[in-house]
Amino acid sequence: GNSVTQMEGPVTLSEEAFLTINCTYTATGYPSLFWYVQYPGEGLQLLLKATKADDKGSNKGFEATYRKETTSFHLEKGSVQVSDSAVYFCALSVESSASKIIFGSGTRLSIRP
Amino acid sequence: DGGITQSPKYLFRKEGQNVTLSCEQNLNHDAMYWYRQDPGQGLRLIYYSQIVNDFQKGDIAEGYSVSREKKESFPLTVTSAQKNPTAFYLCASSLDHSNQPQHFGDGTRLSIL
Repeated sequence: GNSVTQMEGPVTLSEEAFLTINCTYTATGYPSLFWYVQYPGEGLQLLLKATKADDKGSNKGFEATYRKETTSFHLEKGSVQVSDSAVYFCALSVESSASKIIFGSGTRLSIRP
Repeated sequence: DGGITQSPKYLFRKEGQNVTLSCEQNLNHDAMYWYRQDPGQGLRLIYYSQIVNDFQKGDIAEGYSVSREKKESFPLTVTSAQKNPTAFYLCASSLDHSNQPQHFGDGTRLSIL
């Protein structure tokens, strides 16, 4: 079946550090991949997406590359800020799987000033 | 501005009482979803609807009910049969049901009195 596995948190970094949050997936068919971010007390916001192999999604300094050979979609940012503190969810959808997006369990990121 | 509106932001339920959470979208999206999020955990799908007057159970539908009488609206009722309803409830919508990102409301936090 389809599934998403992401690194467990919490992840704590100092401001301006390099960030990587690992995400791997299992899917039948050709999935689209997403990263969502959730700030405290709010819903999820789409951060970036990639729809086919080797695509790179990017937004607000975050990047993730769709790697079909390693079934991965790791989230990276070169220099994190305190305002990046949030929970990050990796997710996939498969066209053949009617209407569902499969979410990972989320990774809490905390950035120290 | 287009978006998804969930109300109320906070809701309290007495024992044996049914409560209804509202979700309205003006994005002209066909598909709508309800998720439950427990502290420190990912999202679990309760119900989803791909078109008006049609909906399907998700992974944890027991103790919940929905209706989809209008494209814009997808209310969720938490019935007295749901023995552990305390959670953060998120509504989402997407343009259609295949490979499209979902847009989320800001959530409703339900607690038991």
